[in-house]
Amino acid sequence: GESVGLHLPTLSVQEGDNSIINCAYSNSASDYFIWYKQESGKGPQFIIDIRSNMDKRQGQRVTVLLNKTVKHLSLQIAATQPGDSAVYFCAENPDNAGNMLTFGGGTRLMVKP
Amino acid sequence: EAGVVQSPRYKIIEKKQPVAFWCNPISGHNTLYWYRQNLGQGPELLIRYENEEAVDDSQLPKDRFSAERLKGVDSTLKIQPAELGDSAVYLCASSPWLADTGELFFGEGSRLTVL
Repeated sequence: GESVGLHLPTLSVQEGDNSIINCAYSNSASDYFIWYKQESGKGPQFIIDIRSNMDKRQGQRVTVLLNKTVKHLSLQIAATQPGDSAVYFCAENPDNAGNMLTFGGGTRLMVKP
Repeated sequence: EAGVVQSPRYKIIEKKQPVAFWCNPISGHNTLYWYRQNLGQGPELLIRYENEEAVDDSQLPKDRFSAERLKGVDSTLKIQPAELGDSAVYLCASSPWLADTGELFFGEGSRLTVL
């Protein structure tokens, strides 16, 4: 079936570098996407979202890019900090019918001091 | 404002025993979700409530899982009897009915270990 997936299960970066976490989706009907951060022992926390009528959206130190042509989503974290170490999930709303989110498998970001 | 509250945080039981999880959503949030998260995977939806009505329970294993949200606020998820494969983190989330974003607000989860 159609699902959201991630390219890399683990990403290791040096503190201060930029991080890029990728996500592929296959449901062309999806028009809303969210990135969540999940620290160990905690529930997922909202980072940033983007609708399909946008290509890019920026937050504080984070940027989400959406490429609808290749069904690709990425999360960029600028000046990565130790506190950014967590598992990151992309999620899609496959039919825009209410708040229904389908999550991908997650990428673990490890920040080296 | 308090976030989504779940209890217990941890539960260890033997297989075939029953277990129940409780969730108190953010005040005013009409929609409540139960997700299951297996180790190393993303959350998977079990059931979604709009107020007290279950509007999507297609992924809930109804032979052993049940859920209720009697007054449209707190919710309980029950497993009876538990199986080894039920070991996971059970996440509750809530969201307002009309929201600017599709953000779900998650609790910290209830980690279940079935021995």
